[in-house]
Amino acid sequence: RKEVEQDPGPFNVPEGATVAFNCTYSNSASQSFFWYRQDCRKEPKLLMSVYSSGNEDGRFTAQLNRASQYISLLIRDSKLSDSATYLCAVNPGNQFYFGTGTSLTVIP
Amino acid sequence: GAGVSQSPSNKVTEKGKDVELRCDPISGHTALYWYRQSLGQGLEFLIYFQGNSAPDKSGLPSDRFSAERTGGSVSTLTIQRTQQEDSAVYLCASSLWGGEEYFGPGTRLLVL
Repeated sequence: RKEVEQDPGPFNVPEGATVAFNCTYSNSASQSFFWYRQDCRKEPKLLMSVYSSGNEDGRFTAQLNRASQYISLLIRDSKLSDSATYLCAVNPGNQFYFGTGTSLTVIP
Repeated sequence: GAGVSQSPSNKVTEKGKDVELRCDPISGHTALYWYRQSLGQGLEFLIYFQGNSAPDKSGLPSDRFSAERTGGSVSTLTIQRTQQEDSAVYLCASSLWGGEEYFGPGTRLLVL
């Protein structure tokens, strides 16, 4: 079983839509969780950390569900500039495990 | 402050040649990771260094791949006798223990 599973998409949504991505992880001892954004031909960049209490940064909300072992990313009021691949990352304490990424295209 | 840097940014080599890729992590970061990413694919873990511990080499695809980290800072990934399937972007990342990873811009390797 993979450490981290992520729906590759693609997700094609109109501007202004709300879109959510989920990522499941297998190691219940995982302590650190993150979402990254990767633009075409660029390196992944940290979007936000995911805390137990959930956290929000503008239009972006990240949540952690330990019972079901998944993290989620919600993007509200999608902008064209949100088009990218979104990767989740989980660290059970030894190294990072990344999902394969979910492709998002926001359509005018 | 300075982020993770990698060199060269692009490398074109002939099949069978050896290449060395360099990574300068963020100062003070104890963990350093190497990944490989082919076009349109996810990140493939290669190797992980944490402090003075023995590196986790479980992701290295063959014995042609090796990496070292000198003085707990700079790291070099070496690919011997390169093959065309080694063509990819090689990404380095660093972090504090348990903290978020920061990626370098990557080295684009093309093996002809």
